[in-house]
Amino acid sequence: AQSVAQPEDQVNVAEGNPLTVKCTYSVSGNPYLFWYVQYPNRGLQFLLKYITGDNLVKGSYGFEAEFNKSQTSFHLKKPSALVSDSALYFCAVRAPTGANNLFFGTGTRLTVIP
Amino acid sequence: NAGVTQTPKFQVLKTGQSMTLQCAQDMNHNSMYWYRQDPGMGLRLIYYSASEGTTDKGEVPNGYNVSRLNKREFSLRLESAAPSQTSVYFCASSEDPQGPFLFFGSGTQLSVL
Repeated sequence: AQSVAQPEDQVNVAEGNPLTVKCTYSVSGNPYLFWYVQYPNRGLQFLLKYITGDNLVKGSYGFEAEFNKSQTSFHLKKPSALVSDSALYFCAVRAPTGANNLFFGTGTRLTVIP
Repeated sequence: NAGVTQTPKFQVLKTGQSMTLQCAQDMNHNSMYWYRQDPGMGLRLIYYSASEGTTDKGEVPNGYNVSRLNKREFSLRLESAAPSQTSVYFCASSEDPQGPFLFFGSGTQLSVL
């Protein structure tokens, strides 16, 4: 069975500091991994994905994520946080075969403090 | 650039009432999905339609029915609403069942009293 864990409900970081939002996963076979962001009263927006290839994936708005197979992790990072990055972030995983059924984590609320 | 459009945005129902949530996408995607979002539980898949004419149950299908009316539209029906169905509902679409990621609508906030 597939599952995703986001161990932190809330992450606070000062503007300009680097940020990390953690995600670990469990899936049979090689995973497809995703990060989505949700701003207030909006649907989820795709940030980045890992399917195969380079373990460091770059996405929208300066975000990147590192796939670590041995630790089954896919942490989201950004070198310098902006106040506008404050939002709810979801990690998601799906198996490489079968229906496109994403399993989502419970979300991490990121607050960037001016 | 509408993408995925959901209606209504807000709805309040009484227990036992029925309603249909509408979803339409203009990206010519084959696959469509209904998720519900509850605090502390992330998003959970209710039903999905891999292609026009097919529907399948997701993780939490009980109390819901769906209709893939055509390639563009995928509706979610609550026949007899219950307070446990109070949630935010999101429709999503993807190019095909193996498409790499989903496009989401802006959601429907449903309260069942």
